[in-house]
Amino acid sequence: QVQLVQSGAEVKKPGASVKVSCKASGYTFSNYYVHWVRQAPRQGPEWMGMINSSGGNTIYAQKFQGRLTVTRDTSTSTVYMELTSLRSDDTAVYYCARDKGVKDAFDIWGQGTMVTVS
Amino acid sequence: DIVLTQSPGTLSLSPGERATLSCRASQTLSGTSLAWYQQHPGQAPRLLIHGASSRATGIPDRFSGSASGTDFTLTISRLEPEDFAMYYCQQYDTSPRTFGQGTKVEIK
Repeated sequence: QVQLVQSGAEVKKPGASVKVSCKASGYTFSNYYVHWVRQAPRQGPEWMGMINSSGGNTIYAQKFQGRLTVTRDTSTSTVYMELTSLRSDDTAVYYCARDKGVKDAFDIWGQGTMVTVS
Repeated sequence: DIVLTQSPGTLSLSPGERATLSCRASQTLSGTSLAWYQQHPGQAPRLLIHGASSRATGIPDRFSGSASGTDFTLTISRLEPEDFAMYYCQQYDTSPRTFGQGTKVEIK
């Protein structure tokens, strides 16, 4: 079935970096974009950025410019999200989600990865 | 950035009742680029409605969406026990793809 499977929980110290993976299966990887969305405890979701799985071009929210890097490996249908210079307020569940790229909703989500900065 | 304002913050209702959730955008969305998601505690969001009024695959017909200008509405015609959850609207007209702050539908 169509799914996005993310890597496991991480605990990091302030100032460190974290890299979370999101492996796609059950669909043609290059036909969809993958987005990263985070959700801090008791908060609403916050969009971070996206990657075109085919061409590899990215768009990031201004808030994360300079700290966020999203990459993909087409050979394994995996997308990676790396966030650097971690702070305590980066503690959140990080989700990947897919869409078709042009004005489309997120129809499939990963299960989420808890990142704790402490 | 487009700001989405959801109301009410919490809706206390009984099973079988009708739920009406609102989402107001700070500017006009071209087309109807608005989605609704449901989220249970500890789970990822699930797409309910896209294009303001189209149900996603497998979503029961008790869920419906509508739009009027910058105002969007999610209606649950008769609440089932599994419908008590958080609901978020999201615009995908422009980046950043912003979300509302959510409406909690709780059992009265």
